[in-house]
Amino acid sequence: EAQVTQNPRYLITVTGKKLTVTCSQNMNHEYMSWYRQDPGLGLRQIYYSMNVEVTDKGDVPEGYKVSRKEKRNFPLILESPSPNQTSLYFCASSLRVYPTRQETQYFGPGTRLLVL
Amino acid sequence: AQTVTQSQPEMSVQEAETVTLSCTYDTSESDYYLFWYKQPPSRQMILVIRQEAYKQQNATENRFSVNFQKAAKSFSLKISDSQLGDAAMYFCAYIRGGGADGLTFGKGTHLIIQP
Repeated sequence: EAQVTQNPRYLITVTGKKLTVTCSQNMNHEYMSWYRQDPGLGLRQIYYSMNVEVTDKGDVPEGYKVSRKEKRNFPLILESPSPNQTSLYFCASSLRVYPTRQETQYFGPGTRLLVL
Repeated sequence: AQTVTQSQPEMSVQEAETVTLSCTYDTSESDYYLFWYKQPPSRQMILVIRQEAYKQQNATENRFSVNFQKAAKSFSLKISDSQLGDAAMYFCAYIRGGGADGLTFGKGTHLIIQP
């Protein structure tokens, strides 16, 4: 089954304790992205990756890191989480981004993070 | 910068009836794509329908159809024969062609289906 998976689905942590949220897709997609969803603000992009070893900042990258060592995986790293990073996080992927066509993005199930 | 506006925070419709969710957007691009995503209580984001700006024909997916008015920068979603399973948050989203930017989302419309 084609899907985007995220782990963990729920996480409670404390300020300053490094954490990683994993994202994996089995569709051989080149493009992957992370969003956060906050009440009243909708979804906002954190980072994206156009292919292996190619990553770039989205609209709200502060406090986050990503890596893309393999095509299927795109982990989101919070080196020193703070309470303002409490949010619902989505990973998404699409086949590719090329000049005249945008492929549909497929979303993972979401990760709910609470930073105390 | 592009913006997406959903002016209806909440809509309610009787089961089996038709409802239309509104979305407007602002962009200076000519090449772009528009989407409607559904987010049920499970919080997963599910693609409902997509529209390419270069296509004049409105997209349709079973009971879901859009009214795409490019000049007015309007992209409404019509749900026919509403079902209880349609109850969810609906997000309108925009992405420009030719770039790697992510989706720009509206703030969402909460759709309630009355049995």
